Amino acid sequence: DPKIIQKPKYLVAVTGSEKILICEQYLGHNAMYWYRQSAKKPLEFMFSYSYQKLMDNQTASSRFQPQSSKKNHLDLQITALKPDDSATYFCASSQEINTEVFFGKGTRLTVV
Amino acid sequence: GDKVKQSPSALSLQEGTNSALRCNFSIAATTVQWFLQNPRGSLINLFYLVPGTKENGRLKSAFDSKESYSTLHIRDAQLEDSGTYFCAAENTGNYKYVFGAGTRLKVIA
Repeated sequence: DPKIIQKPKYLVAVTGSEKILICEQYLGHNAMYWYRQSAKKPLEFMFSYSYQKLMDNQTASSRFQPQSSKKNHLDLQITALKPDDSATYFCASSQEINTEVFFGKGTRLTVV
Repeated sequence: GDKVKQSPSALSLQEGTNSALRCNFSIAATTVQWFLQNPRGSLINLFYLVPGTKENGRLKSAFDSKESYSTLHIRDAQLEDSGTYFCAAENTGNYKYVFGAGTRLKVIA
């Protein structure tokens, strides 16, 4: 019974389009994160949030925008998609910032 | 350079044997996590460490913050241990874990 739900599991998008990746956690955690894993690189940190406040942003491009409508939600909006954005995007959460982190199963995004 | 360096990058083990994976840190790590990414891509939590050691079944992990390294020992390797092992380190003041590039482990019968 997964406690960190990511939707969709797989996503194919056209270059230039916009997509939203959904993440919700039912662990009662106060911190949430996004990481990206592509074939060429290890897991890369993107964003961290604590109590719905942005704590760190390591994403150079403003095309990536996290959205936190509720404490247990952290969606990721990606605009003007490029083929290089193809990767698996993992959402994660922890009780407090930088305590033990747990990961969702990921959304595999392919941009064609 | 790499802030979290894992070694070896790949490893093949005979079933029933033992091995050790290592992470060296060039950041002042305060906590460390070890994960196994299984062939389906899921990240499974193995250990969450402050300086010290932990053991869970056939796995044992140590974290030495002064010498800036962590190890993961696998005893009596089984086929289901195959996958990619990642370590990740956090240092105070940075609100994220930094991952190593992983060790790809294949256990063979």
